[in-house]
Amino acid sequence: GENVEQHPSTLSVQEGDSAVIKCTYSDSASNYFPWYKQELGKRPQLIIDIRSNVGEKKDQRIAVTLNKTAKHFSLHITETQPEDSAVYFCAAYFNDYKLSFGAGTTVTVRA
Amino acid sequence: SAVISQKPSRDICQRGTSLTIQCQVDSQVTMMFWYRQQPGQSLTLIATANQGSEATYESGFVIDKFPISRPNLTFSTLTVSNMSPEDSSIYLCSVYPGTSGWNEQFFGPGTRLTVL
Repeated sequence: GENVEQHPSTLSVQEGDSAVIKCTYSDSASNYFPWYKQELGKRPQLIIDIRSNVGEKKDQRIAVTLNKTAKHFSLHITETQPEDSAVYFCAAYFNDYKLSFGAGTTVTVRA
Repeated sequence: SAVISQKPSRDICQRGTSLTIQCQVDSQVTMMFWYRQQPGQSLTLIATANQGSEATYESGFVIDKFPISRPNLTFSTLTVSNMSPEDSSIYLCSVYPGTSGWNEQFFGPGTRLTVL
């Protein structure tokens, strides 16, 4: 199956600063890359995704970039707020919509 | 997005017993999956629940331990059999609606299982 690596495992930022999380994947056939946010005790929530035919996608304060040649993709959160504190997971599809997840990044936004 | 519910939301069970978790969706969906999230860890795919046929299991997961049913396009069950403390995890179902032309997959609220 797909192998997805995610860095860093923890990230602490000052409110208002930017946060960047990076992921790499192994299967060159992967064509869909979602990002999930999981707050404590809650289900993972899809926050943004990108398909392999685009290099960048933005939704308000969050953006995702994809480099298919290098097989890596990144999540960018600008103007961070306390409510952005959560665990973020990157993922990639392999074999019929199965998701392989990265290990997760715990983001803490300091007020 | 689809509205997904799971029952039970949590349970505490004795080792050696079995627990069946239900996943209900408010609309017909193309695909349903079951994931496990061990404490403080990421999500790991257990199996794809196939409507009308046997589930497809990922490496490390077997039908005898995790039997799965999917009798129709809106419902699936996962049974955790002969439980041990190592089975203590959150079990989540997810769905791929397959109707929007995109690839989004959505998760149920999860079932928190503690095995004593």
